[in-house]
Amino acid sequence: QKEVEQNSGPLSVPEGAIASLNCTYSDRVSQSFFWYRQYSGKSPELIMSIYSNGDKEDGRFTAQLNKASQYVSLLIRDSQPSDSATYLCAVGNQGGKLIFGQGTELSVKP
Amino acid sequence: EAGVVQSPRYKIIEKKQPVAFWCNPISGHNTLYWYRQNLGQGPELLIRYENEEAVDDSQLPKDRFSAERLKGVDSTLKIQPAELGDSAVYLCASSFLTGSYGYTFGSGTRLTVV
Repeated sequence: QKEVEQNSGPLSVPEGAIASLNCTYSDRVSQSFFWYRQYSGKSPELIMSIYSNGDKEDGRFTAQLNKASQYVSLLIRDSQPSDSATYLCAVGNQGGKLIFGQGTELSVKP
Repeated sequence: EAGVVQSPRYKIIEKKQPVAFWCNPISGHNTLYWYRQNLGQGPELLIRYENEEAVDDSQLPKDRFSAERLKGVDSTLKIQPAELGDSAVYLCASSFLTGSYGYTFGSGTRLTVV
């Protein structure tokens, strides 16, 4: 079992729809959770962080965390073609190391 | 604030040749990370520095890879000799606290070994 798992996609949604990206992790004592966006040929860019159970909203982005289910998700409302990218889930362990999933490719169709 | 600076952006070398990558972290960030990202995969940690001390190098292939962070600022990652399987993007990242608030990545170095 991989430490951080994501559906590799590609996930295709129409413009204006909600994109839902999911991630599960194996280490129960993980403390911090992040979503990175990576455009093709570019480096990962931090877009959301979440540390406690529940929802965290930032503009069109909502991160959701359920530690009991070891599950993290990212919702993108009103998806735009510019949101087309690979989204990486990262989980921080107690030593401060971030472990990344393989990423989910999102394609938003006009 | 200047971001994490890496050089070179691209490097093409023949197998068995040496190669080095350089990273300058964000000013004041005491933690520095080197990650490797293979095509279609997420980044994987190679080594983590707290100031000048390597505190996690368990994933660094020490037979051919080496790294240093003199004076706790800039860092260099070296591969000698390079193998075809080393072709990847090498990412440097830094953080103020030990990753608790996420990292800032540099632009990366894309290595192609032919």
